[in-house]
Amino acid sequence: NAGVTQTPKFQVLKTGQSMTLQCAQDMNHNSMYWYRQDPGMGLRLIYYSASEGTTDKGEVPNGYNVSRLNKREFSLRLESAAPSQTSVYFCASSEELTQPQHFGDGTRLSIL
Amino acid sequence: SQKIEQNSEALNIQEGKTATLTCNYTNYSPAYLQWYRQDPGRGPVFLLLIRENEKEKRKERLKVTFDTTLKQSLFHITASQPADSATYLCAPLGSSASKIIFGSGTRLSIRP
Repeated sequence: NAGVTQTPKFQVLKTGQSMTLQCAQDMNHNSMYWYRQDPGMGLRLIYYSASEGTTDKGEVPNGYNVSRLNKREFSLRLESAAPSQTSVYFCASSEELTQPQHFGDGTRLSIL
Repeated sequence: SQKIEQNSEALNIQEGKTATLTCNYTNYSPAYLQWYRQDPGRGPVFLLLIRENEKEKRKERLKVTFDTTLKQSLFHITASQPADSATYLCAPLGSSASKIIFGSGTRLSIRP
């Protein structure tokens, strides 16, 4: 009964390095999301995938790319990490876009 | 632009009392409004969803109201317990919107 699994849980990068955050869900959900959460700013949507084969930008997509590899997996890539991307990243999934979301426990990313 | 406001200050409540959290939104006409709970170091967990044509929704000790005229949702926890201490996030969603916007959350502390 894993739900949404994110890897890694923690990561430290140097400015300019690249990194892919992995997310997988085992609930057969159609929609998946990537958020970042910064102190005092709440969750901000980076990218989402309404269904397998589609991806769309959210509120803060700059500096990120995503891949919906299959129905289960949705990855987030930082091509050239910047200190402003230090944050906690959450992946979520839902049956459809308007349905309640199930979240993973996050990846804590620090960019030095 | 769309804006979500939740109690900016932490809320401290005596055990057994009713906690009331506020979510106000502007420049927005959501068809649904969701409430989530987030514990430190964990991802948000879905609690309740209320639709625009529903005035009130209940689940055990939780009650949510949705006033589309005031552009406000209230979240109540009755007979509060220390285990209810967490951050609570509201998230309005439009009927055709493909994006969900989260408030920054209200930190609730229930003292014994």
